[in-house]
Amino acid sequence: GAVVSQHPSRVICKSGTSVKIECRSLDFQATTMFWYRQFPKKSLMLMATSNEGSKATYEQGVEKDKFLINHASLTLSTLTVTSAHPEDSSFYICSATPRLAGGPHTPQETQYFGPGTRLLVL
Amino acid sequence: GENVEQHPSTLSVQEGDSAVIKCTYSDSASNYFPWYKQELGKGPQLIIDIRSNVGEKKDQRIAVTLNKTAKHFSLHITETQPEDSAVYFCAASWNSWGKLQFGAGTQVVVTP
Repeated sequence: GAVVSQHPSRVICKSGTSVKIECRSLDFQATTMFWYRQFPKKSLMLMATSNEGSKATYEQGVEKDKFLINHASLTLSTLTVTSAHPEDSSFYICSATPRLAGGPHTPQETQYFGPGTRLLVL
Repeated sequence: GENVEQHPSTLSVQEGDSAVIKCTYSDSASNYFPWYKQELGKGPQLIIDIRSNVGEKKDQRIAVTLNKTAKHFSLHITETQPEDSAVYFCAASWNSWGKLQFGAGTQVVVTP
């Protein structure tokens, strides 16, 4: 259980175009979804926290107009990188936190991660 | 905010030996401490976690210990195998909505 998927797994795009990444919780409803960015050989950097039906909360230094997050349902969140540039190239990973109703042994804090999306902007 | 430090940054062990990774945190309000394993090109995988009301937790070859007074927690892997080679991240959560602060990661290499 607690499987999170991401699509696409990798994407190459031209500078100036927009790219949408989907994050889905496959076997549970997610209270909260998180979006991270990871540079090579570095730790995970939280970009934003997303709750279903409400606006995402962005971390300091993350441009909300550049990285649009939509949390349309309890199982789907999307990250759109608008007008992508080469410096946006990175590994983007989402995570999801199960709702408490998912089971008494599932703490609300537990984050399950997706497999990541490799973005390359040319 | 919370600050998590992780050591060592790299760890080489002989197959069959034990590996220990240590993390310290700064916020005494932190109450949830997960450990993740990340293989190259993949997302992090939760391997074990511990809450502040517990001092130790074990799952087969993996164990985590927590010292709330000293504000540090450790991951112990016994009888290491080549498939244990990966980057391991510790994290701490201090808020009700589950936001995590990650350590810098430890590259573990298990040599046959």
